[in-house]
Amino acid sequence: AQSVTQLGSHVSVSEGALVLLRCNYSSSVPPYLFWYVQYPNQGLQLLLKYTTGATLVKGINGFEAEFKKSETSFHLTKPSAHMSDAAEYFCAVSGNWYQFYFGTGTSLTVIP
Amino acid sequence: GAGVSQSPRYKVAKRGQDVALRCDPISGHVSLFWYQQALGQGPEFLTYFQNEAQLDKSGLPSDRFFAERPEGSVSTLKIQRTQQEDSAVYLCASSSGTGTNSGNTIYFGEGSWLTVV
Repeated sequence: AQSVTQLGSHVSVSEGALVLLRCNYSSSVPPYLFWYVQYPNQGLQLLLKYTTGATLVKGINGFEAEFKKSETSFHLTKPSAHMSDAAEYFCAVSGNWYQFYFGTGTSLTVIP
Repeated sequence: GAGVSQSPRYKVAKRGQDVALRCDPISGHVSLFWYQQALGQGPEFLTYFQNEAQLDKSGLPSDRFFAERPEGSVSTLKIQRTQQEDSAVYLCASSSGTGTNSGNTIYFGEGSWLTVV
């Protein structure tokens, strides 16, 4: 079985500050891990994904995440927050490639 | 089309009414998925099609939920005898591939917002 826990349903950062959104997963098989972003009234957009290989994954808009098997974590980071980063972020795990188990989401607020 | 298109975007149904939600995947995409997103929650998997074949329907919450993709392109999610707990956003997604690799991205539509009153 797979599941995801996102720590912090709301995160606020100042513009230009580091963004860190936490995600821990549980999986009985080698996981596929994803981060999606959702803007108001829009669908989910893939930020980045880990399937195999390099554990540090770079995505769009300057985001990256590191797969740490020993910590069962896949935290999302961005060195410098921008106002346009304000959105809902979802971490997801999959044991196959299409059946995602999403976390409950983290709402990111960027303070000018 | 340019993206996954869903209709209607918003639907208000009276309890007990049947509803049909339509999904137009990206042209040529083999794989199609339906997810349900309740308010304040992450999306939950409902079903997966590869072309016209429904390969996985393990997430459909009850026999009131039915999905089809008869010609391998457009898909319809039907909910019979709607109940208040069916109120959610129904997300459709599509992909050009049938397995995970660096080129397989799943693209989500904007969703159909269903409110059952």
